[in-house]
Amino acid sequence: DGGITQSPKYLFRKEGQNVTLSCEQNLNHDAMYWYRQDPGQGLRLIYYSQIVNDFQKGDIAEGYSVSREKKESFPLTVTSAQKNPTAFYLCASSRIQGSTGELFFGEGSRLTVL
Amino acid sequence: AQSVAQPEDQVNVAEGNPLTVKCTYSVSGNPYLFWYVQYPNRGLQFLLKYITGDNLVKGSYGFEAEFNKSQTSFHLKKPSALVSDSALYFCAVRGNQAGTALIFGKGTTLSVSS
Repeated sequence: DGGITQSPKYLFRKEGQNVTLSCEQNLNHDAMYWYRQDPGQGLRLIYYSQIVNDFQKGDIAEGYSVSREKKESFPLTVTSAQKNPTAFYLCASSRIQGSTGELFFGEGSRLTVL
Repeated sequence: AQSVAQPEDQVNVAEGNPLTVKCTYSVSGNPYLFWYVQYPNRGLQFLLKYITGDNLVKGSYGFEAEFNKSQTSFHLKKPSALVSDSALYFCAVRGNQAGTALIFGKGTTLSVSS
């Protein structure tokens, strides 16, 4: 089935460690996005990418990094510089050409810092 | 700057009664408006969108939304609520450029009692 796969579903990290969250899509979408979700704060944009080897910072990019080496993949690294990384992370994708803008979401990754 | 407001953190309705979840937006140009639903520890599921045309938009699971340009609102409605509709609902907006990220409201928790 076509869709977006995020892994791992749950991840625990010690303070000071970098972790990488995986996001893979087989929808042939051009654009991919990472959002962070905290209770009562909705979804906040971390990074997005419209094309391979290019990406833009969102509203809360500090302490995060991304890469887009393949169209299908958009991994997110949560670095030790992120002061409060415990959150639910959501990856999404969308078409660009002919798109009306809706995003398709993965099932999310919950990161907990111990 | 684009923004979305969901003025209610929680909406409580009895099963069988109509429900409304409110959303107002601010965007330059013509808005692209969306509603998503999220169940606990899951990704977001697309419900419906308004791009242009009829102000009443019908979507998944019997939901509909009414676009009101003069009031800059896009309220989600359902004539008869089900207990299974209980979830977190997000309104989102995008400007005219394809491939740009959606801006999400903070979400409204809908609780339907039997």
